[in-house]
Amino acid sequence: AQTVTQSQPEMSVQEAETVTLSCTYDTSESDYYLFWYKQPPSRQMILVIRQEAYKQQNATENRFSVNFQKAAKSFSLKISDSQLGDAAMYFCAYRRTSGTYKYIFGTGTRLKVLA
Amino acid sequence: DGGITQSPKYLFRKEGQNVTLSCEQNLNHDAMYWYRQDPGQGLRLIYYSQIVNDFQKGDIAEGYSVSREKKESFPLTVTSAQKNPTAFYLCASSMVGTGYGYTFGSGTRLTVV
Repeated sequence: AQTVTQSQPEMSVQEAETVTLSCTYDTSESDYYLFWYKQPPSRQMILVIRQEAYKQQNATENRFSVNFQKAAKSFSLKISDSQLGDAAMYFCAYRRTSGTYKYIFGTGTRLKVLA
Repeated sequence: DGGITQSPKYLFRKEGQNVTLSCEQNLNHDAMYWYRQDPGQGLRLIYYSQIVNDFQKGDIAEGYSVSREKKESFPLTVTSAQKNPTAFYLCASSMVGTGYGYTFGSGTRLTVV
Protein backbone atom coordinates (compact mmCIF):
# COMPACT_ATOMS: atom_id res chain seq x y z
CA ALA A 1 0.00 0.00 0.00
CA GLN A 2 1.11 3.52 -0.68
CA THR A 3 2.15 5.76 2.19
CA VAL A 4 3.09 9.43 2.49
CA THR A 5 5.32 10.71 5.30
CA GLN A 6 5.88 14.27 6.45
CA SER A 7 8.49 14.12 9.17
CA GLN A 8 8.36 17.78 10.22
CA PRO A 9 5.27 18.47 12.35
CA GLU A 10 6.16 22.16 12.58
CA MET A 11 8.52 24.60 10.85
CA SER A 12 9.25 28.30 11.27
CA VAL A 13 10.63 30.82 8.79
CA GLN A 14 11.41 34.51 8.91
CA GLU A 15 9.42 36.71 6.59
CA ALA A 16 11.17 37.07 3.19
CA GLU A 17 13.33 34.00 3.82
CA THR A 18 13.15 30.58 2.12
CA VAL A 19 11.87 27.38 3.71
CA THR A 20 11.70 23.78 2.52
CA LEU A 21 9.08 21.30 3.67
CA SER A 22 9.88 17.61 3.32
CA CYS A 23 7.73 14.77 2.03
CA THR A 24 8.61 11.16 1.27
CA TYR A 25 6.35 8.49 -0.11
CA ASP A 26 6.34 4.82 -0.81
CA THR A 27 4.84 3.20 -3.89
CA SER A 28 5.51 0.42 -6.35
CA GLU A 29 3.82 2.35 -9.16
CA SER A 30 5.92 4.00 -11.85
CA ASP A 31 3.43 6.69 -12.79
CA TYR A 32 1.51 8.82 -10.32
CA TYR A 33 0.77 12.38 -9.25
CA LEU A 34 2.05 14.28 -6.26
CA PHE A 35 0.49 17.38 -4.74
CA TRP A 36 1.03 19.98 -2.06
CA TYR A 37 -2.04 21.48 -0.42
CA LYS A 38 -2.20 24.46 1.90
CA GLN A 39 -4.75 24.70 4.72
CA PRO A 40 -4.84 28.21 6.29
CA PRO A 41 -6.67 28.94 9.56
CA SER A 42 -9.95 29.12 7.58
CA ARG A 43 -9.40 25.37 7.00
CA GLN A 44 -10.15 25.71 3.28
CA MET A 45 -7.83 23.35 1.40
CA ILE A 46 -6.00 25.07 -1.45
CA LEU A 47 -3.95 23.33 -4.14
CA VAL A 48 -0.45 24.81 -4.18
CA ILE A 49 1.37 22.73 -6.77
CA ARG A 50 1.23 19.38 -8.57
CA GLN A 51 3.84 17.14 -10.14
CA GLU A 52 3.42 14.33 -12.62
CA ALA A 53 5.88 11.54 -11.90
CA TYR A 54 6.78 10.90 -15.53
CA LYS A 55 7.97 14.49 -15.91
CA GLN A 56 11.60 15.08 -14.99
CA GLN A 57 11.20 18.83 -14.68
CA ASN A 58 10.32 20.14 -11.25
CA ALA A 59 7.03 22.03 -11.06
CA THR A 60 7.03 25.74 -10.21
CA GLU A 61 4.20 28.11 -9.30
CA ASN A 62 5.39 31.63 -8.57
CA ARG A 63 7.18 31.49 -5.18
CA PHE A 64 6.49 27.78 -4.77
CA SER A 65 8.64 25.08 -6.30
CA VAL A 66 9.26 21.41 -5.71
CA ASN A 67 12.32 19.20 -5.64
CA PHE A 68 11.09 15.89 -7.03
CA GLN A 69 13.53 13.01 -6.61
CA LYS A 70 11.77 9.98 -8.07
CA ALA A 71 14.41 7.39 -7.22
CA ALA A 72 14.56 8.60 -3.63
CA LYS A 73 10.74 8.94 -3.51
CA SER A 74 11.10 12.44 -2.18
CA PHE A 75 8.92 15.47 -2.96
CA SER A 76 9.89 18.59 -1.04
CA LEU A 77 8.23 22.00 -1.29
CA LYS A 78 10.32 25.18 -1.34
CA ILE A 79 8.68 28.48 -0.49
CA SER A 80 10.74 31.51 -1.47
CA ASP A 81 10.33 35.05 -0.13
CA SER A 82 8.00 33.79 2.60
CA GLN A 83 5.02 35.98 3.41
CA LEU A 84 2.80 36.17 6.48
CA GLY A 85 -0.03 34.73 4.39
CA ASP A 86 1.97 31.56 3.85
CA ALA A 87 1.38 30.54 7.46
CA ALA A 88 -0.73 27.38 7.29
CA MET A 89 -0.76 23.60 7.47
CA TYR A 90 0.80 22.05 4.40
CA PHE A 91 -0.16 18.57 3.26
CA CYS A 92 1.66 16.39 0.78
CA ALA A 93 -0.54 13.97 -1.20
CA TYR A 94 -0.10 11.07 -3.61
CA ARG A 95 -2.48 9.74 -6.23
CA ARG A 96 -2.24 6.93 -8.73
CA THR A 97 -2.80 7.74 -12.40
CA SER A 98 -5.30 4.92 -12.93
CA GLY A 99 -7.78 2.85 -11.01
CA THR A 100 -9.15 4.63 -7.98
CA TYR A 101 -8.60 8.35 -7.79
CA LYS A 102 -8.35 8.66 -4.05
CA TYR A 103 -5.48 10.55 -2.52
CA ILE A 104 -3.13 9.44 0.21
CA PHE A 105 -2.26 12.37 2.47
CA GLY A 106 0.64 12.95 4.82
CA THR A 107 0.04 14.11 8.38
CA GLY A 108 0.93 17.70 7.56
CA THR A 109 3.52 20.33 8.50
CA ARG A 110 2.47 23.48 10.32
CA LEU A 111 4.40 26.46 8.93
CA LYS A 112 4.81 29.59 11.06
CA VAL A 113 6.03 32.79 9.44
CA LEU A 114 7.79 35.21 11.78
CA ALA A 115 7.63 38.94 11.15
CA ASP B 1 -19.46 30.18 -10.03
CA GLY B 2 -18.75 26.47 -9.84
CA GLY B 3 -17.81 25.01 -6.53
CA ILE B 4 -18.48 22.52 -3.80
CA THR B 5 -20.71 23.38 -0.86
CA GLN B 6 -20.76 21.71 2.51
CA SER B 7 -23.40 22.34 5.11
CA PRO B 8 -23.76 23.00 7.90
CA LYS B 9 -20.48 24.63 8.91
CA TYR B 10 -20.95 23.56 12.54
CA LEU B 11 -23.01 20.61 13.77
CA PHE B 12 -23.70 19.33 17.26
CA ARG B 13 -24.81 15.78 17.92
CA LYS B 14 -26.14 14.15 21.03
CA GLU B 15 -24.97 10.71 22.01
CA GLY B 16 -26.90 8.02 20.12
CA GLN B 17 -28.10 10.25 17.32
CA ASN B 18 -27.48 9.94 13.60
CA VAL B 19 -26.57 13.12 11.74
CA THR B 20 -26.16 13.83 8.03
CA LEU B 21 -23.58 16.14 6.51
CA SER B 22 -24.40 17.64 3.15
CA CYS B 23 -22.03 17.94 0.18
CA GLU B 24 -23.15 19.40 -3.16
CA GLN B 25 -21.05 20.26 -6.22
CA ASN B 26 -21.86 22.00 -9.49
CA LEU B 27 -18.54 21.31 -11.19
CA ASN B 28 -19.83 18.29 -13.14
CA HIS B 29 -17.19 16.18 -11.40
CA ASP B 30 -17.63 12.42 -11.54
CA ALA B 31 -15.90 11.52 -8.30
CA MET B 32 -16.64 12.66 -4.75
CA TYR B 33 -14.91 11.90 -1.48
CA TRP B 34 -15.33 12.27 2.27
CA TYR B 35 -12.35 12.78 4.55
CA ARG B 36 -12.07 13.10 8.29
CA GLN B 37 -9.42 15.38 9.78
CA ASP B 38 -8.14 14.98 13.33
CA PRO B 39 -5.20 16.85 14.88
CA GLY B 40 -1.89 15.19 14.05
CA GLN B 41 -3.45 12.58 11.76
CA GLY B 42 -3.84 14.36 8.47
CA LEU B 43 -6.82 13.49 6.30
CA ARG B 44 -8.26 10.00 6.40
CA LEU B 45 -10.61 8.69 3.71
CA ILE B 46 -14.07 7.61 4.85
CA TYR B 47 -15.92 6.86 1.59
CA TYR B 48 -15.59 7.73 -2.06
CA SER B 49 -17.72 7.46 -5.18
CA GLN B 50 -16.56 7.55 -8.77
CA ILE B 51 -19.98 7.15 -10.39
CA VAL B 52 -23.62 7.62 -9.47
CA ASN B 53 -25.18 4.77 -7.48
CA ASP B 54 -21.78 3.33 -6.61
CA PHE B 55 -19.43 4.03 -3.71
CA GLN B 56 -16.50 2.39 -1.97
CA LYS B 57 -15.32 2.23 1.62
CA GLY B 58 -12.20 4.11 2.51
CA ASP B 59 -9.82 3.48 5.39
CA ILE B 60 -12.18 4.41 8.24
CA ALA B 61 -15.72 3.62 7.01
CA GLU B 62 -17.01 1.99 10.19
CA GLY B 63 -19.84 4.00 11.74
CA TYR B 64 -20.48 6.01 8.57
CA SER B 65 -22.79 5.62 5.58
CA VAL B 66 -23.19 7.45 2.27
CA SER B 67 -25.40 7.56 -0.80
CA ARG B 68 -24.83 8.82 -4.35
CA GLU B 69 -28.22 9.09 -6.00
CA LYS B 70 -27.28 12.20 -7.99
CA LYS B 71 -24.00 13.22 -9.56
CA GLU B 72 -24.08 16.51 -7.69
CA SER B 73 -24.69 15.17 -4.20
CA PHE B 74 -22.81 12.90 -1.79
CA PRO B 75 -24.23 13.12 1.74
CA LEU B 76 -22.46 11.50 4.67
CA THR B 77 -24.37 10.07 7.63
CA VAL B 78 -22.53 9.71 10.92
CA THR B 79 -24.33 6.95 12.77
CA SER B 80 -24.54 6.20 16.47
CA ALA B 81 -22.11 3.34 15.83
CA GLN B 82 -19.30 5.85 15.29
CA LYS B 83 -17.79 6.00 18.75
CA ASN B 84 -15.64 9.10 18.35
CA PRO B 85 -17.33 11.33 15.77
CA THR B 86 -16.02 14.70 16.94
CA ALA B 87 -13.83 15.88 14.05
CA PHE B 88 -13.59 18.15 11.04
CA TYR B 89 -15.11 16.61 7.90
CA LEU B 90 -14.04 17.58 4.40
CA CYS B 91 -15.81 16.74 1.16
CA ALA B 92 -13.95 16.86 -2.15
CA SER B 93 -14.62 16.22 -5.81
CA SER B 94 -12.57 15.57 -8.93
CA MET B 95 -12.80 14.63 -12.56
CA VAL B 96 -12.11 10.98 -13.30
CA GLY B 97 -9.31 10.31 -15.73
CA THR B 98 -7.43 13.56 -15.24
CA GLY B 99 -4.47 14.54 -13.12
CA TYR B 100 -6.03 17.64 -11.71
CA GLY B 101 -6.30 17.99 -7.99
CA TYR B 102 -9.30 17.76 -5.77
CA THR B 103 -11.66 20.66 -5.24
CA PHE B 104 -12.51 20.81 -1.56
CA GLY B 105 -15.51 22.11 0.30
CA SER B 106 -15.07 24.40 3.29
CA GLY B 107 -15.74 21.62 5.79
CA THR B 108 -18.12 20.75 8.62
CA ARG B 109 -17.06 20.72 12.26
CA LEU B 110 -19.01 18.00 14.11
CA THR B 111 -19.07 18.00 17.89
CA VAL B 112 -20.70 15.45 20.18
CA VAL B 113 -22.41 17.05 23.16
